[in-house]
Amino acid sequence: NAGVTQTPKFQVLKTGQSMTLQCAQDMNHEYMSWYRQDPGMGLRLIHYSVGAGITDQGEVPNGYNVSRSTTEDFPLRLLSAAPSQTSVYFCASHTRGGGTYGYTFGSGTRLTVV
Amino acid sequence: SQQGEEDPQALSIQEGENATMNCSYKTSINNLQWYRQNSGRGLVHLILIRSNEREKHSGRLRVTLDTSKKSSSLLITASRAADTASYFCATVARDSWGKLQFGAGTQVVVTP
Repeated sequence: NAGVTQTPKFQVLKTGQSMTLQCAQDMNHEYMSWYRQDPGMGLRLIHYSVGAGITDQGEVPNGYNVSRSTTEDFPLRLLSAAPSQTSVYFCASHTRGGGTYGYTFGSGTRLTVV
Repeated sequence: SQQGEEDPQALSIQEGENATMNCSYKTSINNLQWYRQNSGRGLVHLILIRSNEREKHSGRLRVTLDTSKKSSSLLITASRAADTASYFCATVARDSWGKLQFGAGTQVVVTP
């Protein structure tokens, strides 16, 4: 099925470790975004991309890096994991502004930093 | 800071009743979107309403938008147990096409 695929689904990291969360979409959307969701809260934007080679910061970019070398892939890198980065991470792809059908979200990566 | 704020934070109703939740936002928008999230799952898009639209329907869902008051409402008619979920409003601000900003959500519980 067409959509957004995130891997892994679960991950436990030790403080100071680095890792990459993968996100891939097969809908040929120009735009992709990364969000984090903490308990009882809505989603907060980490980074987003408006096309291959173009990325920008969202509300909470510190501690995260992104790159967009292809239309399909938008990986999120944690440089040196901290307990404050324990969260559920969602990737989304979309057309400009959401178009008619809104954003398509992946199923999420649940990350625990110990 | 989050752009949208939903009210109420939590809502408990019985099957067959209507559920109404409200969203207020701060800046001028291009569009406003509503999403549903079942426990432990990803978000599912429900409705997108543009700033020049006042009302939109999709099945049992009705969304209104009042840009003069910077507010929106989502009505779910004849609710079902399967409607139990968290509902989020989110906005795309003018000249910020890549950014969708979410409120904290309304948790809806529908009891049989």
